[in-house]
Amino acid sequence: EPEVTQTPSHQVTQMGQEVILRCVPISNHLYFYWYRQILGQKVEFLVSFYNNEISEKSEIFDDQFSVERPDGSNFTLKIRSTKLEDSAMYFCASSGGSGRVDTQYFGPGTRLTVL
Amino acid sequence: AQTVTQSQPEMSVQEAETVTLSCTYDTSESDYYLFWYKQPPSRQMILVIRQEAYKQQNATENRFSVNFQKAAKSFSLKISDSQLGDAAMYFCAYITGANSKLTFGKGITLSVRP
Repeated sequence: EPEVTQTPSHQVTQMGQEVILRCVPISNHLYFYWYRQILGQKVEFLVSFYNNEISEKSEIFDDQFSVERPDGSNFTLKIRSTKLEDSAMYFCASSGGSGRVDTQYFGPGTRLTVL
Repeated sequence: AQTVTQSQPEMSVQEAETVTLSCTYDTSESDYYLFWYKQPPSRQMILVIRQEAYKQQNATENRFSVNFQKAAKSFSLKISDSQLGDAAMYFCAYITGANSKLTFGKGITLSVRP
């Protein structure tokens, strides 16, 4: 069964460093998403992406964040200068984009720890 | 503001028994979709069940079923014949448009006693 994959599973970085989180969405899906979950809190939407551009973003997704689809398979989230409060689980998701409300399928997540 | 409320932070059930997890939501949209996701200790988000708001019939998926009360904006999840593998965090969520964002509740931790 097709699934969303994410790498790395755990990333440790120093405050102020740049990190890139990688995702491979399900191959025939057209919409891609990033969510984050701070430990013990609810899952929060960051950004959605379609047709090589951002379709929606939350107030969390400020200038420190960017997303890219560098090739036909990968979808990346870059945090330019990490802060302690960026420590969280980051989930990538994808959906079919059929025009109806398609279920979003989540990857296993990347745990980001900022020291 | 559009919100999802899961008022019970924790619940416990005996193996093989039935448990119901509560969820209420608030949206002004008339067309929306509701979901329950399971997050085991691995922290992966796994879809359990979905419900289209325009459908009156409650969704079922094997041992999982929902009680969808549209007027009350309530969407509870019933797990029948609970198994040890059901122990996880369960999140209620909704979406109001195609390819839009999911809005999640805070989740409920379910433990299953052997």
